Amino acid sequence: QSALTQPASVSGSPGQSITISCTGTSSDVGGYNYVSWYQQHPGKAPRLIIYEVSNRPSGVSNRFSGSKSGNTASLTISGLQAEDEADYYCCSYTSSSTKVFGGGTKLTVL
Amino acid sequence: EVQLVESGGGVVRPGGSLRLSCAASGFTFDGYGMSWVRQAPGKGLEWVSGINWNGGSTVYAVSVKGRFTISRDNAKNSLYLQMNSLRAEDTALYHCARSSGSYWYYGMDVWGQGTTVTVSS
Repeated sequence: QSALTQPASVSGSPGQSITISCTGTSSDVGGYNYVSWYQQHPGKAPRLIIYEVSNRPSGVSNRFSGSKSGNTASLTISGLQAEDEADYYCCSYTSSSTKVFGGGTKLTVL
Repeated sequence: EVQLVESGGGVVRPGGSLRLSCAASGFTFDGYGMSWVRQAPGKGLEWVSGINWNGGSTVYAVSVKGRFTISRDNAKNSLYLQMNSLRAEDTALYHCARSSGSYWYYGMDVWGQGTTVTVSS
């Protein structure tokens, strides 16, 4: 199972919005709604920020939103804040009854 | 407080074995699926294995299938990963993670800090 494709890095200024894409195939992202997103600060454990494509766990800011079109899922962060600077990973259930992560995207807040 | 604490990591020679444990507290352990996720130094996340709430279904990444075995003891609120035939590429920080539901394939909403496994001669 190949990793999902994410851009290696994205950047934005405080207050702006950014979108991180996560491209898979019809055997993973496109075939199921079990797509989740994780935020990871350096030296910390990952944190779930979006589950089942577009749902936010309690306690996660509504500045984070998720969507999916075809084989590509997207994470949008609006009103960028310095604390959003982190690595972001998408993850999908697959037709092989496994999970696969994306390679990760480093978000820099300028 | 909902918490997962991993243990059992260490340095092992190629071909060796190691058993990781994950102690859960602060929630009803037998109500949730669980997974192991690893992260090699300086690399991204890699899902390793998952297990349903009652241990009735276990799944593995291709990279570890046939070498690793996931299990759980709900009476002890514990998750395990038996790792055999270890290779250098298994070197990583291993996290246990709770699924947000009874089955392993849901989003992982609680994570432990991880235990480090180093495979080296």
